[in-house]
Amino acid sequence: QVQLVESGGGLVKPGGSLRLSCAASGFTFSDYYMSWIRQAPGKGLEWVSYISSSGSTIYYADSVKGRFTISRDNAKNSLYLQMNSLRAEDTAVYYCARDSFTGYYFDYWGQGTLVTVSS
Amino acid sequence: EIVLTQSPGTLSLSPGERATLSCRASQSVSSSYLAWYQQKPGQAPRLLIYGASSRATGIPDRFSGSGSGTDFTLTISRLEPEDFAVYYCQQYGSSPQTFGQGTRLEIK
Repeated sequence: QVQLVESGGGLVKPGGSLRLSCAASGFTFSDYYMSWIRQAPGKGLEWVSYISSSGSTIYYADSVKGRFTISRDNAKNSLYLQMNSLRAEDTAVYYCARDSFTGYYFDYWGQGTLVTVSS
Repeated sequence: EIVLTQSPGTLSLSPGERATLSCRASQSVSSSYLAWYQQKPGQAPRLLIYGASSRATGIPDRFSGSGSGTDFTLTISRLEPEDFAVYYCQQYGSSPQTFGQGTRLEIK
């Protein structure tokens, strides 16, 4: 069955960096676009970034553009999010999600990893 | 960017009742590219509906979606205890894809 397992979250000071990972299994990872979506505590969902199956096409939300970098390693079935210049407003649970074949909606989600930006 | 407004913010109903959740877009959602998700406390969202009206794999037929243009609806025909959760709509027809703020469905 499809599994997405995030890791790498934690507490970081403002201005710091963190790298999130998402290990995928149960499907042909290299066939699918993948995304990161976040959810601030008690708040709604915010799409952060997506990457095409080959990694050649990447988009970011304006709120993270220039600070976050999405990447993937299809040989390792893994998705990454490098987060730099972190701000308090980046505090959230970060989910990796698989984009469906038929549109930019998300048919499978990981359990999420919490990133807390605080001094 | 397309802003999605969900109503009501909170819906209080009893098991067995019918739930109607609304999602209104600030601009027309192209090709009815609208999805609905369910989220329970401490869990990741789960895809319910895509393409405004197509049920995702394994979703019971008491869940149905409808609408087009700027007005979309998620209907749960007969509420089961496990249906009480937060529901989000998402449009994916225009970049950036955006989510509504959610409707909390609570037990009355």
